[in-house]
Amino acid sequence: GENVEQHPSTLSVQEGDSAVIKCTYSDSASNYFPWYKQELGKGPQLIIDIRSNVGEKKDQRIAVTLNKTAKHFSLHITETQPEDSAVYFCAASQRGGGSNYKLTFGKGTLLTVNP
Amino acid sequence: DAGVTQSPTHLIKTRGQQVTLRCSPKSGHDTVSWYQQALGQGPQFIFQYYEEEERQRGNFPDRFSGHQFPNYSSELNVNALLLGDSALYLCASSLGGPLSGNTIYFGEGSWLTVV
Repeated sequence: GENVEQHPSTLSVQEGDSAVIKCTYSDSASNYFPWYKQELGKGPQLIIDIRSNVGEKKDQRIAVTLNKTAKHFSLHITETQPEDSAVYFCAASQRGGGSNYKLTFGKGTLLTVNP
Repeated sequence: DAGVTQSPTHLIKTRGQQVTLRCSPKSGHDTVSWYQQALGQGPQFIFQYYEEEERQRGNFPDRFSGHQFPNYSSELNVNALLLGDSALYLCASSLGGPLSGNTIYFGEGSWLTVV
């Protein structure tokens, strides 16, 4: 089955700096890669996702890049703010015609943005 | 627009007991999946319901069972509780079944503590 590795497990940055979180996946059939933000005591919130036919996607301060050949994808947050502090999870799945619908998650990255 | 709602938010059970967790999907959604998130880990897929049938199942024992009702809401049942079942149980909803490729949204979760 699919295996997703996520690094780093913790990341501390100064407000205004950029943060990068990286994930690798093992199943070449995976074609959908969402990122979720989870605040303490809450459920995961989808912040951005990318499908395998796209190499990069951007939404304001957040961007995701995908390298299908190397089987890795990354989350980039620019101009970080204290409210960006949370645990971030990457995930992978086969979507839209694939037989495996479930999301396989990484172990998460605790991002701390220091004022 | 109501998001994914789960109940109860917190509960404490004793080893050997049974528990039922409930989920109402996001308005307009017909597909419900359940995930278990242990402390410090990413969510793990338990199973998915669509058209009132279990469509896919992760690597969880038969003690974990579920149901989907005609109004698309769902229940997760866990029998013979073990200490290791202590976790955040997340409900996720989407539209169109396992092959749709549509976005998955999570609820806030139910915290289960087994003592």
